[in-house]
Amino acid sequence: GAVVSQHPSWVICKSGTSVKIECRSLDFQATTMFWYRQFPKQSLMLMATSNEGSKATYEQGVEKDKFLINHASLTLSTLTVTSAHPEDSSFYICSARLPLGTSGRAGYNEQFFGPGTRLTVL
Amino acid sequence: AQRVTQPEKLLSVFKGAPVELKCNYSYSGSPELFWYVQYSRQRLQLLLRHISRESIKGFTADLNKGETSFHLKKPFAQEEDSAMYYCALSGKGGSEKLVFGKGTKLTVNP
Repeated sequence: GAVVSQHPSWVICKSGTSVKIECRSLDFQATTMFWYRQFPKQSLMLMATSNEGSKATYEQGVEKDKFLINHASLTLSTLTVTSAHPEDSSFYICSARLPLGTSGRAGYNEQFFGPGTRLTVL
Repeated sequence: AQRVTQPEKLLSVFKGAPVELKCNYSYSGSPELFWYVQYSRQRLQLLLRHISRESIKGFTADLNKGETSFHLKKPFAQEEDSAMYYCALSGKGGSEKLVFGKGTKLTVNP
């Protein structure tokens, strides 16, 4: 249980175009999802926290107008990289958290991660 | 500010040897500490968290508030333990974001 998928797994686009990445929780409802960016051989950098039905909370230094996040349902969050440029090329990873208070092994702040999306902007 | 430091980028041990991956943190409140692992070509997954006080795959980690550390240990490393290990921290309450260390790549040699 607690599987998170991402689509696409990789994408190549031209500079100036927009790219949408989907993150889905397959077998649970996630009121909160997170979007990370990972540069080669570096750690995960949190970009934003996505809350279902409300605006995303962006981390300092992350342009909200460039990285649009929509969390329209309890199982889907999307990240749209607008007017992508080569410097946006990176590995984007989403995670989803079970609702607070969920009993069992998973609960509190355990996040379930998607497999990631490799974005290459030419 | 929340900060997680993993001083070793790379760690190499032989099979059967003990292994310790270091993690130090900085946080003004009461933290929740986690270890996540990423095996080759797989997604990041939770290995263990300090509040559970459990041993997963032979790994244990004790939260030392005096030394602000949460080192990951295993007495006898196995080749299948080779992976990238990330220490992470969040504030208590469940609504806090996770802050990750830079990770340590563990290689267990035969």
